[in-house]
Amino acid sequence: AQSVAQPEDQVNVAEGNPLTVKCTYSVSGNPYLFWYVQYPNRGLQFLLKYITGDNLVKGSYGFEAEFNKSQTSFHLKKPSALVSDSALYFCAVRDLWSGGYQKVTFGTGTKLQVIP
Amino acid sequence: GAVVSQHPSWVICKSGTSVKIECRSLDFQATTMFWYRQFPKQSLMLMATSNEGSKATYEQGVEKDKFLINHASLTLSTLTVTSAHPEDSSFYICSAREGQGAPYEQYFGPGTRLTVT
Repeated sequence: AQSVAQPEDQVNVAEGNPLTVKCTYSVSGNPYLFWYVQYPNRGLQFLLKYITGDNLVKGSYGFEAEFNKSQTSFHLKKPSALVSDSALYFCAVRDLWSGGYQKVTFGTGTKLQVIP
Repeated sequence: GAVVSQHPSWVICKSGTSVKIECRSLDFQATTMFWYRQFPKQSLMLMATSNEGSKATYEQGVEKDKFLINHASLTLSTLTVTSAHPEDSSFYICSAREGQGAPYEQYFGPGTRLTVT
């Protein structure tokens, strides 16, 4: 079974400060990890993904995420937060080589509030 | 990037009626489509997975006779909520994937807000 944990329901950060949204995962095989952002009453927008290679993944809108295999974490980061970054963020995982109809498991989401 | 559309974006229906939601992959062929349900301030709950030309696979606890899913073509899947009740009110999101292999990622539609009165 695979699972994703986002330990923080909400993260508050001042505009211009760096932000981190935490995510840890559990998967039996090799992880295929994602971050998505959701604005109110909208679907999910893809931010970035990790399959293999460099542990630091760069994505859309200046976001990046760091894969840490030993800590089974995939934290989302941004050097300087914008008010427009305020949204709901979801971490997700899939077993990379599970075969068949692989399902993506989502975390519970973290609401990011950037304070002007 | 790949685009997935949903129609309608919002719908209000009376209790006891049925409503159909369409999900289309606009610039790729989706061998697999997923339907999710999202309650306010909660994560996405996978309802079912459908492959083109096959019957959908429903997650445990999801009534297949109530939530009818059809994936008749590689670009279209529909979710029909039959005999809708107020507790079916929710945000429904579809997702599509081009293939089954590891590199393929899911692309999400913008969601459909269903309100049953």
